[in-house]
Amino acid sequence: EVQLVESGGGLVQPGRSLRLSCAASGFTFDDYAMHWVRQAPGKGLEWVSGISWNSGSIGYADSVKGRFTISRDNAKNSLYLQMNSLRAEDTALYYCAKDGLQWLDDYYFDYWGQGTLVTVSS
Amino acid sequence: EIVMTQSPATLSVSPGERATLSCRASQSVSSNLAWYQQKPGQAPRLLIYGASTRATGIPARFSGSGSGTEFTLTISSLQSEDFAVYYCQQQGTFGQGTKLEIK
Repeated sequence: EVQLVESGGGLVQPGRSLRLSCAASGFTFDDYAMHWVRQAPGKGLEWVSGISWNSGSIGYADSVKGRFTISRDNAKNSLYLQMNSLRAEDTALYYCAKDGLQWLDDYYFDYWGQGTLVTVSS
Repeated sequence: EIVMTQSPATLSVSPGERATLSCRASQSVSSNLAWYQQKPGQAPRLLIYGASTRATGIPARFSGSGSGTEFTLTISSLQSEDFAVYYCQQQGTFGQGTKLEIK
């Protein structure tokens, strides 16, 4: 059974940093690309970032480019999101999502975690 | 940047009836489109990818069609558990969602 468990969310002041983690199990982690998708309270889904199976291809939404960094550790079956210079508009539930493919080509998200809540407020 | 537009924003349908949800891309995306279902308090669930391929475990009453810029998700006979919000997605862009509610 595929499991994705996010952690690291919380309340943080504007301008500060936070690091999210996603622990994966139930599939061969290094065979697939992985993503972060967020959802602000009461709003729709927003793709944040994706990383290919070997970290050779990485993409970011314009809204987070230059502030967020995605990474993965295939030896630990883990995905990360380093979030710097956080803003109020980054407040959201952050989901870890597994891609159906290896590379960031025509991606889709076949499994999702339950999310970790990030609240940016003073 | 490709924009995905879903219609209608809200769809009211009676159980047992057919529901048809639409998604339009601002430029051709070939068949690279996915559909998700999200219920309150839950993570999204993949229904369809490649415009028409059902994901693992998805009932046959869900079907996807279309290519290029026009796509459709059809639920042939609505069950009580199908009332939810549905999103289309192409690469890094989601549609704004269609809320399917009980009539």
